[in-house]
Amino acid sequence: DAGVIQSPRHEVTEMGQEVTLRCKPISGHDYLFWYRQTMMRGLELLIYFNNNVPIDDSGMPEDRFSAKMPNASFSTLKIQPSEPRDSAVYFCASSLSQKPRNEQFFGPGTRLTVL
Amino acid sequence: AQKITQTQPGMFVQEKEAVTLDCTYDTSDPSYGLFWYKQPSSGEMIFLIYQGSYDQQNATEGRYSLNFQKARKSANLVISASQLGDSAMYFCAMREGWGVIQGAQKLVFGQGTRLTINP
Repeated sequence: DAGVIQSPRHEVTEMGQEVTLRCKPISGHDYLFWYRQTMMRGLELLIYFNNNVPIDDSGMPEDRFSAKMPNASFSTLKIQPSEPRDSAVYFCASSLSQKPRNEQFFGPGTRLTVL
Repeated sequence: AQKITQTQPGMFVQEKEAVTLDCTYDTSDPSYGLFWYKQPSSGEMIFLIYQGSYDQQNATEGRYSLNFQKARKSANLVISASQLGDSAMYFCAMREGWGVIQGAQKLVFGQGTRLTINP
């Protein structure tokens, strides 16, 4: 079975540009999570969805960040405008709530560099 | 207050030795789950092992076992017979609550321990 798919794997952009990160969760999973990982702050949850509905976006750093999940097989995280401090690895993860342990399966991540 | 504390920023172990990675947690919720993930240098996050707060037995998955001491709020990961491929960052994480309760699916991660296995 395919795991969580993220694209692009690497993104280099200039400050002020719009960045869109994409995620395809594991088929059948009902939860989708977006994380950001930096050396300074570790792994932070940004937002998560249940059945395509945003449940908690309290981790989204500011209005420049937005996330959508138009259907069960696709989600985007958008940064507009991007800033150098947004440079990080962004992970998407998905899980199935009916499983007892509900472990989250992570995608390979998108390494974002904002110059 | 930190919900997950991993006090060992780095550890160095000889190949074939057993290693214990420490994790303490803080919660007042009686229902919670504890997870360990491995992050090799390639960057992906790999789920290793899970322990539920009501589980009577310590969890085991192959060479991985979890030393769960509920009263002490600790959930240490034990890797037996370490291998060179075990060199990676290891993260402890906690989920509070259960099932479809609001927020019950959120994971909070510790800062991680970088494990290096020496040949």
